[in-house]
This record gives sequence, structure tokens and C-alpha cells, in this order.
Amino acid sequence: DTGVSQNPRHKITKRGQNVTFRCDPISEHNRLYWYRQTLGQGPEFLTYFQNEAQLEKSRLLSDRFSAERPKGSFSTLEIQRTEQGDSAMYLCASKSGSGTNYGYTFGSGTRLTVV
Amino acid sequence: AQTVTQSQPEMSVQEAETVTLSCTYDTSENNYYLFWYKQPPSRQMILVIRQEAYKQQNATENRFSVNFQKAAKSFSLKISDSQLGDTAMYFCASSIYSGNTPLVFGKGTRLSVIA
Repeated sequence: DTGVSQNPRHKITKRGQNVTFRCDPISEHNRLYWYRQTLGQGPEFLTYFQNEAQLEKSRLLSDRFSAERPKGSFSTLEIQRTEQGDSAMYLCASKSGSGTNYGYTFGSGTRLTVV
Repeated sequence: AQTVTQSQPEMSVQEAETVTLSCTYDTSENNYYLFWYKQPPSRQMILVIRQEAYKQQNATENRFSVNFQKAAKSFSLKISDSQLGDTAMYFCASSIYSGNTPLVFGKGTRLSVIA
């Protein structure tokens, strides 16, 4: 297992188009988190899953955003009708729900540019 | 609600010298975790050091150590013998002890190590 994998690494899209990102967490991690990071800022929480259940969504997750985690494995984040303000790095992180290693492992992120 | 504040947007240090990055936080919880993450340019976020709030002893990891002042809600990171590879954005983050809650990040400090 090589860690958290995110695809694509970069995405350039025209305003109004839909985009979908994928995150493959560490296989034994049952919790998966999505964050958004804009230039010069720290990551901001979007949503998280425990197994296949989406347990929390932040107010940043507008109606144009949807996330899924079918079967509790990989997750997808879709943005519909993209806007220039959606340009950001989208980070995925996973963690184990038990044990003493209370650490989050991050992927390399997907950088979205909306033109 | 938790908040994390990093008041130093940028810092620089000479190679082999020591530097301290500041972080303050606010929480109404009694049990929580505090973290320092490193994000090198165009690379993924990695955990530097973690502190459990119930532990009085400051965490250390090789050249990295923290000064945790629970009453003052302060959590600074000290990097000793700075190396060029330490150049990165450093984020302070907190999480409630329950294990499910997402990380809350500060805005980060950009550290440059100068040869």
C-alpha cells in the first residue's frame, strides 16, 4: 500500500463544466476526508465519510458539490457547473478509526483551475 | 467550534540554526489533539509531530519539538539544526479527541531555510 492516491493531479476546465476527482485511501482506513485549499490558506474541511456513510458536510459544500464513497473504498468528489471560485487544490485524507496511531494521511491533491 | 491561528505568514532561518513557529488555538473541549504538518512546494502534506492534550510532556521527533502550553492555548514548533529540506509551508492543526472530527487548520507559515 503506497498511501493515499488522488487522480487526476491537475485539471483545467472551462467555467460551467462538471468535474470529478477520485481518492483512493489507505485500504485499512475507514475514515476519509475531503479538504479544499486555496492559495496562501490552510486546508478547509468539506466533508467526511466513515466507511460508506457521509457523516458530516461543511457549509462550504454547496449544492453543486457532491461526494460519494461506494462500498467504503475509494471516494469521488464531483463539482457541477464549475465557477472560477472553485479553483483550488482539493485534498483527500484518510485515517484509521482505531489504534494509537491517531494520524491522518494526505494524498498529493488535485489542483483544479477553472478558466 | 475550534479555531487555529498562526500569526507568522513567513519566516526564514539560516541553515543549522534554530527557528520557532507560533500557533495558538481555541477550543471548548478538554480532550483534543494538536498537530504540525509540513507541506513542501508541490508535494503532499506530511505529519511532523503530534501532541495529545492530556499529556503534559512536550512531544519531540528528532529535530522537531513542541512547546505545549495548555492554559495559554499555545502550541509552538521548534526546529533545531535547520536543513534546506525543511523549506515548506507549516500548518498547525487541531482535532477533538473523539476520533471522528476533521482537522481544523491554521493559515500556515512559509518557512525558508537559507544556505
